[in-house]
Amino acid sequence: KAGVTQTPRYLIKTRGQQVTLSCSPISGHRSVSWYQQTPGQGLQFLFEYFSETQRNKGNFPGRFSGRQFSNSRSEMNVSTLELGDSALYLCASTEPGGSTEAFFGQGTRLTVV
Amino acid sequence: SQQGEEDPQALSIQEGENATMNCSYKTSINNLQWYRQNSGRGLVHLILIRSNEREKHSGRLRVTLDTSKKSSSLLITASRAADTASYFCATAYNQGGKLIFGQGTELSVKP
Repeated sequence: KAGVTQTPRYLIKTRGQQVTLSCSPISGHRSVSWYQQTPGQGLQFLFEYFSETQRNKGNFPGRFSGRQFSNSRSEMNVSTLELGDSALYLCASTEPGGSTEAFFGQGTRLTVV
Repeated sequence: SQQGEEDPQALSIQEGENATMNCSYKTSINNLQWYRQNSGRGLVHLILIRSNEREKHSGRLRVTLDTSKKSSSLLITASRAADTASYFCATAYNQGGKLIFGQGTELSVKP
C-alpha cells in the first residue's frame, strides 16, 4: 500500500496570504488528523476528520480550517498567515474502527516571511 | 497544556548501551504510543500499549505503562547509531485519531 502523501513538501508564503495543504491517506483509512510542529510548542493537534466530518478539534484559531472529501483525502487551509504559522505540518491517517497506530506523511514545511 | 512531559530532553549514549526514556501524562487514557522522528521528517510508529497492559515488547524495544502513576517508559536495548532520532510519546483518549504528544527526547547514539 502507498503511504500517506502530503503535498507540497515545502512552501514559502508572505504574511497575510493564505495557504492550502493536501493529504492523501493510506487506502482504506477514513480518519485523517493534522498536527503542527514547531520548535517552541512541539507537536500540537489541529483537527481530525472522519467520513468527511470534523470529529475532534484542537485549540487553534479559526484561521486554521480543514475539510475531507468523499475519497478521504483531506486539505487544511490557513488564512491570513502570520510569522508564527511557520512550522512543519504533519498529516496522519488511521484505520477505521478504533484508536490504533497513526501513519504519518513526510510533512509540509511552511515558511511565512 | 494537555501535553505530556518526557525526560530526559536529550540523551547521548554509546552504541551497544541501553537507552531509557520516560513519559508522563495528565488524564486517563485509552492507549499510549511511541513514535520516532528523524531530522524533522514524518513520525514512524514504534509501539502501542493499551491502558489495560503493563508491558510490551517489540524487537529491541520494551515499553512499560503505569496507569496509577500516569507514566510510561521506553527502553531501547543494544542501541545502534541508526537509533539516533527524536522519540515522542503520544496518548490517545478516545476512539478517535486525536493524539496528544509529549515534548520528545532527542537521542544521540555515538558509534
